[in-house]
Amino acid sequence: EPEVTQTPSHQVTQMGQEVILRCVPISNHLYFYWYRQILGQKVEFLVSFYNNEISEKSEIFDDQFSVERPDGSNFTLKIRSTKLEDSAMYFCASSVSLLAGSEQFFGPGTRLTVL
Amino acid sequence: QQQVKQSPQSLIVQKGGISIINCAYENTAFDYFPWYQQFPGKGPALLIAIRPDVSEKKEGRFTISFNKSAKQFSLHIMDSQPGDSATYFCAASSWANNLFFGTGTRLTVIP
Repeated sequence: EPEVTQTPSHQVTQMGQEVILRCVPISNHLYFYWYRQILGQKVEFLVSFYNNEISEKSEIFDDQFSVERPDGSNFTLKIRSTKLEDSAMYFCASSVSLLAGSEQFFGPGTRLTVL
Repeated sequence: QQQVKQSPQSLIVQKGGISIINCAYENTAFDYFPWYQQFPGKGPALLIAIRPDVSEKKEGRFTISFNKSAKQFSLHIMDSQPGDSATYFCAASSWANNLFFGTGTRLTVIP
């Protein structure tokens, strides 16, 4: 069964450093998403991406964040200068369609720890 | 407006019992209401979903009840099993398909 994969599974970084989280969406999916989950809290939408452009972004997704699809398979989330409060689990998801009701398939997540 | 409220925060049920998790929303533009199941160390996985044009949807032991006028929906797990022990999130989305999640319910089913 096709699945979304994410690397690394755990990333530890120093405050102020740049990190890149990587995702490989399901191959025939066209829409990609990043969510985050701070420990013990709800999953929060960050950004959606289609056709090499951001479709929607939340208030959390400020200028420190960027997304990119550098090739035909990877989808990345970059945090330019990490803060302590960026520590969270980051989930990538993908879907066939952007329409409501198109199932989003989530990856296993990358746990980001900012020291 | 985008908030989805979920209760209870945690739930302990005996094996064979019924687990009920409730959610409420404010944004009337929401038109898709999925429930996700998350096991430790894993990403959320779609369990069951409903659209507001129906009041109930059943898939096996899992049922969503939807009350459009009250802007509430709930997940019922019949004959709960220890393997159902997980965190359950309700969510909602509108045309843009961005999911707004509830705060989650940690379900423990005691053998």
